Formats: sequence, C-alpha cells, structure tokens
Amino acid sequence: DQQVKQNSPSLSVQEGRISILNCDYTNSMFDYFLWYKKYPAEGPTFLISISSIKDKNEDGRFTVFLNKSAKHLSLHIVPSQPGDSAVYFCAASVPYGGATNKLIFGTGTLLAVQP
Amino acid sequence: IAGITQAPTSQILAAGRRMTLRCTQDMRHNAMYWYRQDLGLGLRLIHYSNTAGTTGKGEVPDGYSVSRANTDDFPLTLASAVPSQTSVYFCASSAWGNQPQHFGDGTRLSIL
Repeated sequence: DQQVKQNSPSLSVQEGRISILNCDYTNSMFDYFLWYKKYPAEGPTFLISISSIKDKNEDGRFTVFLNKSAKHLSLHIVPSQPGDSAVYFCAASVPYGGATNKLIFGTGTLLAVQP
Repeated sequence: IAGITQAPTSQILAAGRRMTLRCTQDMRHNAMYWYRQDLGLGLRLIHYSNTAGTTGKGEVPDGYSVSRANTDDFPLTLASAVPSQTSVYFCASSAWGNQPQHFGDGTRLSIL
C-alpha cells in the first residue's frame, strides 16, 4: 500500500507558466518531506525539503507547500523552464533502524515544459 | 567532482550467477543506502548502513547482501540472481540519517 502517493503520472506546462506537482501521504506521523528531480539515465537529485514545523519553504524558483491537516504537499516551479522537464519524486523521510532514516518515495510525476 | 560512483552502469546477467554492484562515495558521509527502482513502484530500500562496520535490512532485502568495510564503499551482492531482480539499482549516501540523501546514477541490471 502506497504511503506516499503522486496521483498524476504526467504534467505538461508551457514555458514561463507555473508548474504544480502534488503529493499526498497517509501517515500523519511523517514530519519531513523531500522533492527529488530525476533525468533519464541519472540518479535522483535533491531539490528542496520541508519540515512539518513549517508550511512553506522557498528556494529560488522552487517552493514547497505543506498542508498537514490534509496530508498533502505540493511543489511549485515558477517560472517553468524547458530544463525543468524531468521526473519529480516526492519522498517522506522516516526514522528506520535506529540512527538512520529511510525515504518512502512516491511513484513520480513526469513534467514536460513546452517551449 | 565529489559524489557517488556506481559500477557497472549496466549489466546483463544469466540467472543463477553471482553479481556485485559497486558503490563509492567521496563525501565522507556516514550513512549509505541501496534502493531499487521498478516501474510503478518508485524506489524501495534494500539495505542500509549507518556507519562503517554496520549494516541493516531495508524493505526488500531478500536475495541481497551488503558489507561496509570502510566509510567510502558499500557493495551490493546478488548471490544467485533471479529474473525478479531485474531493476535499476541506486546507491545513496547522507551525512547522517536525517539529512537529504544524494544518489549515484544507477546500475541497470537485467537478469535473463
């Protein structure tokens, strides 16, 4: 059963417009979330994170919003650029095996930014 | 450039053969991880290591083993490969367990 869900497998956006990628989670104990970006034949690259003590975190063109009551987070990219075209993964970081955390990933959303 | 190096980048392997996927990091990170990525399932944790000399099982450890003899290296071994282990394997590391994980570029493994 997927604990982190990305219900949109793909999204197409015009260059310069806003891209909004959504993610839902099932466990209200999750308190730290990350977004990764992945190009074909490369590993996921860390993009931005948010802790549950915040409802928003911003880094340049990327903003992540967290709605704890709805168990929902979203990644906003403004303005979108063709180089943003990639698969975006949402992940929850949860304590696991003592001193480490594991990432529980969603299945990803393929973003295509059209020139 | 600092980061994670995985080898090989791809491999085709006959079922029943033994295979070791290599992973080396030069960031002096304490924690290292192995994930597999399968279509429709995202990435799932196979094994992890909090620090050199320690390892632990992830969500899908069966058929895999790891070792962590030093800080930099974290090899993943398939003792007797089966077709269900066909996947893309990613190695990752983080400074500590609750820090963002950084990933290598993966090994695409096909078991026939």
